[in-house]
Amino acid sequence: EPEVTQTPSHQVTQMGQEVILRCVPISNHLYFYWYRQILGQKVEFLVSFYNNEISEKSEIFDDQFSVERPDGSNFTLKIRSTKLEDSAMYFCASSENRGGQETQYFGPGTRLLVL
Amino acid sequence: GESVGLHLPTLSVQEGDNSIINCAYSNSASDYFIWYKQESGKGPQFIIDIRSNMDKRQGQRVTVLLNKTVKHLSLQIAATQPGDSAVYFCAEKKVGAQKLVFGQGTRLTINP
Repeated sequence: EPEVTQTPSHQVTQMGQEVILRCVPISNHLYFYWYRQILGQKVEFLVSFYNNEISEKSEIFDDQFSVERPDGSNFTLKIRSTKLEDSAMYFCASSENRGGQETQYFGPGTRLLVL
Repeated sequence: GESVGLHLPTLSVQEGDNSIINCAYSNSASDYFIWYKQESGKGPQFIIDIRSNMDKRQGQRVTVLLNKTVKHLSLQIAATQPGDSAVYFCAEKKVGAQKLVFGQGTRLTINP
């Protein structure tokens, strides 16, 4: 069964450093998403991406964040200058969004720890 | 504003019993609702979804009920098994939006 994959599974970084989180969405999906989950809290939407541009973003997704689809398979989230409060699980998701198929399928996540 | 919340943070059931997990939502513009299961250290796993033009949908051992009058969503798990232990999240999506709005989650524990 196709699934969303993410790398790395864990990332430790120093405050102020740049990090890039990588995702490979399900191959025939058209919409891609990033969510985050701070420890013990609910999952929060960051951004959605369609047709090589951001289609929706939350107030969390400020200028420190960016997304990119550098090739036909990868989808990345970059945090330019990490802050302590960026420590969280980051989940990538994808959906087909054709024929009424809206289900978003999530990857296993990247645990980011900012020191 | 928009919010999706859960009535109970924890639910403990006996193995073999049925489980009912509840969710309240406040945005009447939402037309799509999903239940996810999250095991420790893993990503949310899709369980079942329902559109606002339905009030019930069944899957394998799971049933989702939607009551739009009181803005209430529930997940019923039949014959709960140890593998059902997880945190369960409901999520909603508005018409024309892509983002899912998640609730706080209910932790389901199974007693042997």
